[in-house]
Amino acid sequence: DAGITQSPRHKVTETGTPVTLRCHQTENHRYMYWYRQDPGHGLRLIHYSYGVKDTDKGEVSDGYSVSRSKTEDFLLTLESATSSQTSVYFCAIGNTGELFFGEGSRLTVL
Amino acid sequence: QKEVEQDPGPLSVPEGAIVSLNCTYSNSAFQYFMWYRQYSRKGPELLMYTYSSGNKEDGRFTAQVDKSSKYISLFIRDSQPSDSATYLCAIHQGSQGNLIFGKGTKLSVKP
Repeated sequence: DAGITQSPRHKVTETGTPVTLRCHQTENHRYMYWYRQDPGHGLRLIHYSYGVKDTDKGEVSDGYSVSRSKTEDFLLTLESATSSQTSVYFCAIGNTGELFFGEGSRLTVL
Repeated sequence: QKEVEQDPGPLSVPEGAIVSLNCTYSNSAFQYFMWYRQYSRKGPELLMYTYSSGNKEDGRFTAQVDKSSKYISLFIRDSQPSDSATYLCAIHQGSQGNLIFGKGTKLSVKP
């Protein structure tokens, strides 16, 4: 199994609070991704990174920011969480379609 | 039209049945075609990976790509209860762009 760890695995928070999800990899892979998965929408790309300090937006980036200060860590931040951001968030590493996913972080915004 | 369309199911079959899962796509520039399997409350895992048209076989699984009709399929022979999962097709354009996923088809194989 690819060495990808997401934390926290579960979080319940209130509307308007900041939330940071962490993805840690031990594979030294250049590319890292954050997806969200929702019923009826499937997996949608939020942001991705192609190197330290190099990030770009995905399909559903509004309301999210990311940072990558080290190869192994990719952080996803919700500056002010909203109920529409209740979802399961997956981190992935890889490229050209061969992605390895973490176990997911289940976020509930009340 | 969405770039990748996949029937969400759910699909329920008896053990031993042949399962056919399908996706259609709109952009003829897509070159890489993947199938991911996702068990409940787990992350997706890559199951099959094909480039361009044709078939690829791996054990009980066969991935098929028909670029002329923009149609991809995954066949599962002798289906097992352990095959019960959500199957997601995914498509990549190649050197540029990111992976585009279908919404997934939920499969249940009954003993």
